[in-house]
Amino acid sequence: LAKTTQPISMDSYEGQEVNITCSHNNIATNDYITWYQQFPSQGPRFIIQGYKTKVTNEVASLFIPADRKSSTLSLPRVSLSDTAVYYCLVGSSNTGKLIFGQGTTLQVKP
Amino acid sequence: GAGVSQSPSNKVTEKGKDVELRCDPISGHTALYWYRQSLGQGLEFLIYFQGNSAPDKSGLPSDRFSAERTGGSVSTLTIQRTQQEDSAVYLCASSIRGGGETQYFGPGTRLLVL
Repeated sequence: LAKTTQPISMDSYEGQEVNITCSHNNIATNDYITWYQQFPSQGPRFIIQGYKTKVTNEVASLFIPADRKSSTLSLPRVSLSDTAVYYCLVGSSNTGKLIFGQGTTLQVKP
Repeated sequence: GAGVSQSPSNKVTEKGKDVELRCDPISGHTALYWYRQSLGQGLEFLIYFQGNSAPDKSGLPSDRFSAERTGGSVSTLTIQRTQQEDSAVYLCASSIRGGGETQYFGPGTRLLVL
């Protein structure tokens, strides 16, 4: 499973767009990229998944360049409730077990 | 519909005691996972079930840890002779078939070993 690197923490203000970039230089051809969000005292929650180019859902967008060695999670107009830890995960074993890194702690300020 | 549920939500036990943690996955999900989240180790995989079988137990930290799943539904994680380093949040997740599908996590059981 490919290793990922992402910033440990980020600060933002309400209403701003937040972009969190994840590096995954050793991504394999069949790997996809998945982001999870975790609030304090809760289990992680799936946000978005993609393989290449751009994916958008009601919560976020995921940008993946052609070489797929990195990806950027974009959160539009964040609010205080978006304060959480965001995990970037790459690939999957045949079983689907998830290998979590440190994650990025996003702090949204008023 | 109902999500993944876990019980108890909190458990305090004394060192050396056995504990059982329960997970009720989403109905119809064949894949079930146990993870552990502690301050020092982050979020780590413990065991994976497909139906009642556990093809991947590679994350269980010692032979004090075991898990079973019955009827392709409820799973129990048992920790024998608990140690203080077992203190953590134990999270359960399920997905429809496993593989790369979205996993849905429960709220976790917070275990404190005194």
